[in-house]
Amino acid sequence: SAVISQKPSRDICQRGTSLTIQCQVDSQVTMMFWYRQQPGQSLTLIATANQGSEATYESGFVIDKFPISRPNLTFSTLTVSNMSPEDSSIYLCSVEALRTEAFFGQGTRLTVV
Amino acid sequence: QKEVEQNSGPLSVPEGAIASLNCTYSDRGSQSFFWYRQYSGKSPELIMSIYSNGDKEDGRFTAQLNKASQYVSLLIRDSQPSDSATYLCAVSLGGGGADGLTFGKGTHLIIQP
Repeated sequence: SAVISQKPSRDICQRGTSLTIQCQVDSQVTMMFWYRQQPGQSLTLIATANQGSEATYESGFVIDKFPISRPNLTFSTLTVSNMSPEDSSIYLCSVEALRTEAFFGQGTRLTVV
Repeated sequence: QKEVEQNSGPLSVPEGAIASLNCTYSDRGSQSFFWYRQYSGKSPELIMSIYSNGDKEDGRFTAQLNKASQYVSLLIRDSQPSDSATYLCAVSLGGGGADGLTFGKGTHLIIQP
């Protein structure tokens, strides 16, 4: 399985500010995904990030709020913009392996105050 | 609207017994099915994947899939206290992690020593 590193592991941010989360993979992957896990809830897919194209967002998520970059096959960033307390969640990066299975990074625990 | 349903629990099972976790999904076109284990404060860890009807065994874990009934289950034999966690059922329309996953809310499993 791929080794996925996310930074930061946690952060406390002021409302109205933005945070960029980084996801680094130890091997080249075509597809990278960003999920959100709100407190006590399950995971919800935010967007799919392909290298060389615009990210594809799921219903309820927009690029202005969650801009994503995918500059190469091993790296992606997710920015949470103009944060409010409702954005307090765990944000998780995942990658596919052999087009069959998805593995997750350790997550970024975000608290907005 | 893709939906994955799980009983949230908690499901309490004595140590050494079989734990049975169930999941139903709404999209009949789903092709790939996964069970993840998530400890509190940690990211999901892939336990089992299954793609065709029937049973798939891996150590103490057995995944069962019935596409006609749109039903997936996970059996954990010889349950150990370390199996206490939230178990997430996840479903994909296509090649597993390559298409993003829809998660259930998870079942909280407690193994009683």
